[in-house]
Amino acid sequence: KQEVTQIPAALSVPEGENLVLNCSFTDSAIYNLQWFRQDPGKGLTSLLLIQSSQREQTSGRLNASLDKSSGRSTLYIAASQPGDSATYLCAVRSNDYKLSFGAGTTVTVRA
Amino acid sequence: DAGVIQSPRHEVTEMGQEVTLRCKPISGHNSLFWYRQTMMRGLELLIYFNNNVPIDDSGMPEDRFSAKMPNASFSTLKIQPSEPRDSAVYFCASSQNRGATEAFFGQGTRLTVV
Repeated sequence: KQEVTQIPAALSVPEGENLVLNCSFTDSAIYNLQWFRQDPGKGLTSLLLIQSSQREQTSGRLNASLDKSSGRSTLYIAASQPGDSATYLCAVRSNDYKLSFGAGTTVTVRA
Repeated sequence: DAGVIQSPRHEVTEMGQEVTLRCKPISGHNSLFWYRQTMMRGLELLIYFNNNVPIDDSGMPEDRFSAKMPNASFSTLKIQPSEPRDSAVYFCASSQNRGATEAFFGQGTRLTVV
């Protein structure tokens, strides 16, 4: 069974600082890994999708890396802003097609 | 496209009543997932369909839960009878094929069973 872990569970930084969010998974037989953002009381918004053959993916201030063999992904958010405050979820699509989620990292960016 | 559409957004019901949650996936997507989110357990996959066929329902907590997908544009998740411990946010997601594409989520249905 795929287990997905996100560290840290919560993070508070001053505005302008770079954010580093970590995700690890136990089974490296995956199709892809997806990072989501969830605002309180809202649904999940897809941020980045990394296919298993890729090493990284970038979108604006966001960059996600994937090391499939070691079962790790990192989401970098450059020059954080108060609007980046949210919960960030990592999800792994395993070869049995299930999408398994970590518990998330709750980020607070202080103005 | 309007995205994945779920209804209702909020549902309050009494214990023992039947509850039906609805989902319309993105047009052209052939995989559909139902998740439940609680503070204690996070996001749990309940069931997923591919081409309207249930592929894995091992996450369905008990026989009180059932899901159907009668066609490519509609799915339901039913709880009968409902219990207070079923209170959670239920999400539906869809993707274009089984493995390699992005999954998109609906806004969720917040269910409260009193």
